[in-house]
Amino acid sequence: KAGVTQTPRYLIKTRGQQVTLSCSPISGHRSVSWYQQTPGQGLQFLFEYFSETQRNKGNFPGRFSGRQFSNSRSEMNVSTLELGDSALYLCASSPIRGAPEAFFGQGTRLTVV
Amino acid sequence: GQSLEQPSEVTAVEGAIVQINCTYQTSGFYGLSWYQQHDGGAPTFLSYNALDGLEETGRFSSFLSRSDSYGYLLLQELQMKDSASYFCAVRDQNTDKLIFGTGTRLQVFP
Repeated sequence: KAGVTQTPRYLIKTRGQQVTLSCSPISGHRSVSWYQQTPGQGLQFLFEYFSETQRNKGNFPGRFSGRQFSNSRSEMNVSTLELGDSALYLCASSPIRGAPEAFFGQGTRLTVV
Repeated sequence: GQSLEQPSEVTAVEGAIVQINCTYQTSGFYGLSWYQQHDGGAPTFLSYNALDGLEETGRFSSFLSRSDSYGYLLLQELQMKDSASYFCAVRDQNTDKLIFGTGTRLQVFP
């Protein structure tokens, strides 16, 4: 079974631009969560999607948004990029909501210059 | 809300035993999980404690005490490849969010 796939692996953007990151969960997994990881802040929860609906949202500004498609693939978008958005963005999938184990992708390393 | 605290760094030598603690403040959660993340890699699931007590998986054991709001990950017979960051996490009972601890960087020396 293929794991969680995130694309692209690396991105360099300039301030003010927008970016879209993609996540394909493990086949059959319907819950997808996104996390931002930075050296100083650890793993910060961004949002969770299940059955194409956002179920939870973390404490991030409205510039951060996401969606989930009918095949459970998910995208997250960051608009008006700021230097502080530079981070590793991780996607995790679970077969159901509330499962004890989450399966992570390799992440997308976003650098904003 | 949920808050999980871990020591920022732990060092040990090969063959030794190390314990990584996780103390938490939470209004309710399903269980305590542990994840390992090597530099540049994805977090990977190690263990899960739904109930109080010790769970053993090979060289790794995890413990939970809800009455003490405390858990730990015990790594035995340390190997160089165990050098990584370790995160505890809880699944919030009200929101189903998986909330991670601050993370502990383990360095194993020869």
